[in-house]
Amino acid sequence: DAKTTQPPSMDCAEGRAANLPCNHSTISGNEYVYWYRQIHSQGPQYIIHGLKNNETNEMASLIITEDRKSSTLILPHATLRDTAVYYCIVRPRGRVDSNYQLIWGAGTKLIIKP
Amino acid sequence: NAGVTQTPKFQVLKTGQSMTLQCAQDMNHEYMSWYRQDPGMGLRLIHYSVGAGITDQGEVPNGYNVSRSTTEDFPLRLLSAAPSQTSVYFCASSYPGGTQYFGPGTRLLVL
Repeated sequence: DAKTTQPPSMDCAEGRAANLPCNHSTISGNEYVYWYRQIHSQGPQYIIHGLKNNETNEMASLIITEDRKSSTLILPHATLRDTAVYYCIVRPRGRVDSNYQLIWGAGTKLIIKP
Repeated sequence: NAGVTQTPKFQVLKTGQSMTLQCAQDMNHEYMSWYRQDPGMGLRLIHYSVGAGITDQGEVPNGYNVSRSTTEDFPLRLLSAAPSQTSVYFCASSYPGGTQYFGPGTRLLVL
């Protein structure tokens, strides 16, 4: 299964867009890119996922490069409550037990500053 | 819906003691799982279940037992606690192949 590389930490000013990069250069064609976040040791929270196309929901936008080797999670107007650890994970498509093949790295600790 | 609930929130054990961490979900999810998370690390899968009566081992199953007698509940048993089991434990549930929903966690300290 493909692994991901994320910067260990990032800062962002409150109200600005937070752009979190993720490298997944070994991703295969049948793997999704998933993003979760974990606020202050709470349980991880699903944010968004995508396969090829860019995706947007009420929480964030996901931009996946054309070659699918990297992606960026965008929080358009970051607030202090967005301070959390953000995990980028690749997940096989089409397997009902694919959640149990995930590799959870250390993620990116995003700190939103006032 | 309460989602995924876990009890207790905190627990302190002495080495050698046993205990059960409780997990329940009210979303009628078939799949449930247990993870542990050590400081500064990502999640590691302990055990999972794809339905009542069916369980399987994850990456780090040693020292833990599970059973799944109902769709709603998936308890995790520590047979003889060791300091290496000090961690935060998360339970999660999902539909087959669906997005996982996580509980709030149980913080366990083994002295």
